[in-house]
Amino acid sequence: QLQLQESGPGLVKPSETLSLTCTVSGGSITSSTYYWDWIRQSPGKGLEWIGNFYYSGTSYYNPSLESRVTISVDTSKNQFSLKMTSVTATDTAVYYCARRVGGSIGAFDIWGQGTMVIVSS
Amino acid sequence: AIQMTQSPSSLSASVGDRVTITCRASQGIRNDLGWYQQKPGKAPKLLIYAASSLESGVPSRFSGSGSGTDFTLTISSLQPEDFATYYCLQDYNYPVTFGQGTKLEIK
Repeated sequence: QLQLQESGPGLVKPSETLSLTCTVSGGSITSSTYYWDWIRQSPGKGLEWIGNFYYSGTSYYNPSLESRVTISVDTSKNQFSLKMTSVTATDTAVYYCARRVGGSIGAFDIWGQGTMVIVSS
Repeated sequence: AIQMTQSPSSLSASVGDRVTITCRASQGIRNDLGWYQQKPGKAPKLLIYAASSLESGVPSRFSGSGSGTDFTLTISSLQPEDFATYYCLQDYNYPVTFGQGTKLEIK
C-alpha cells in the first residue's frame, strides 16, 4: 500500500523559504503512470494546486505561484520536495503532497496526511 | 485558468436523503473531473474520477455524471458518515483547479 508523508518545519519567518519533503513508501516515484503533486489549503479555505513533478523531469506550476516555487525529486530517497521563496502570512496553510493518476481523469488517489505551515515572525 | 463553480456552497440534509451537488466549469473539460470528500482535519478522499467512475472502496451510494461543462455528484441515501465538505476538481489542463467546496451538514 503506497503511502505519502510530508515533513518539514511548521513555522517559517516572513520573507524566508518554505521547504517541505514528501516521502513515498510502498512504491516508486519513478513510475510513468503518476504525477507527484503539492496542494495547499489555507485555514478555513478551499484547496489550491501548487504544482507537480513527473518522472521524466518535467514540472508544472500554478502561474499564481510559479515565480516562487520549485518542485524537485530525489529518486535515491524516493522523495519529492517543495521550495517556496519569499513567504508571507498568506502562505500559511496545510500543505499536502498527493499522487495524481496520469491521463487527466481528475484522480488524486493517494494523499499525505498534510502538514501545517505557519508563516510568522 | 479554468474556473470550477460548485453549488450550493452549503446544504442541510437528513440521513436517508438523496442529495445532488453540481460543478460547472468555465470551459469544456471533457470528463476530466474528480469529486472528493474532506472531513475536518483530514486530507481529501477521492470518490469519483473521470466524472463518473467510482473509486475502489467507495460506497455505491455515491455516483457522478456529466461531461463538458456541467457535472453532478449524487449521494443516493445519506449516511451519518457522509456529512463533510465535497470538492470537484479539473485536470483537463494546467493549472489544476478546484471548486470552492460544498459543506454538507446535518439538518
